[in-house]
Amino acid sequence: GESVGLHLPTLSVQEGDNSIINCAYSNSASDYFIWYKQESGKGPQFIIDIRSNMDKRQGQRVTVLLNKTVKHLSLQIAATQPGDSAVYFCAENGSSNTGKLIFGQGTTLQVKP
Amino acid sequence: GAGVSQSPSNKVTEKGKDVELRCDPISGHTALYWYRQSLGQGLEFLIYFQGNSAPDKSGLPSDRFSAERTGGSVSTLTIQRTQQEDSAVYLCASSLVQGSYEQYFGPGTRLTVT
Repeated sequence: GESVGLHLPTLSVQEGDNSIINCAYSNSASDYFIWYKQESGKGPQFIIDIRSNMDKRQGQRVTVLLNKTVKHLSLQIAATQPGDSAVYFCAENGSSNTGKLIFGQGTTLQVKP
Repeated sequence: GAGVSQSPSNKVTEKGKDVELRCDPISGHTALYWYRQSLGQGLEFLIYFQGNSAPDKSGLPSDRFSAERTGGSVSTLTIQRTQQEDSAVYLCASSLVQGSYEQYFGPGTRLTVT
């Protein structure tokens, strides 16, 4: 069935280092991918998205890379800060064009001061 | 401006009771989504509303779950005869237009069924 999964459940990095969070997806029909950040006790917050006609997209301190050949998505965070500590989810649209998303299980990012 | 709000923030109920969870989307957002998040898990899609169209109920896990959206704004998710496996955080999100994946989430309602 459709699934979006993450390689590592927890990632611990030193403040100031770069973070890379990985995600694998299985639905080749997906043409839209999105990263959300969820802080404790809050709902997920949009970070960055990418469409399947792109390989890379950059935002402020974040970069998303898409490798359609191996169905792999990654989120890179530059100069990780304590405020980046959260759970990060990748999501894909599967076969839907209505806005319905399929979420992965999430990776916890811990930033050590 | 005001974001998506949900109430109550926490709900503890006994097994077998009915519960209602409320979502107030961002004003002007036409699409509204309900998701369920079990402990340590990702989000599971439940139901989607778009304007006056028939809702997409494909994610509802059983007929004990239902939702409605009145006047194209406020939505209520109802769980009848709650069971312990219904314990989770129920998240509501809204987006400006149909097909937009940039969804704005509320803080969620944590439901605990004892």
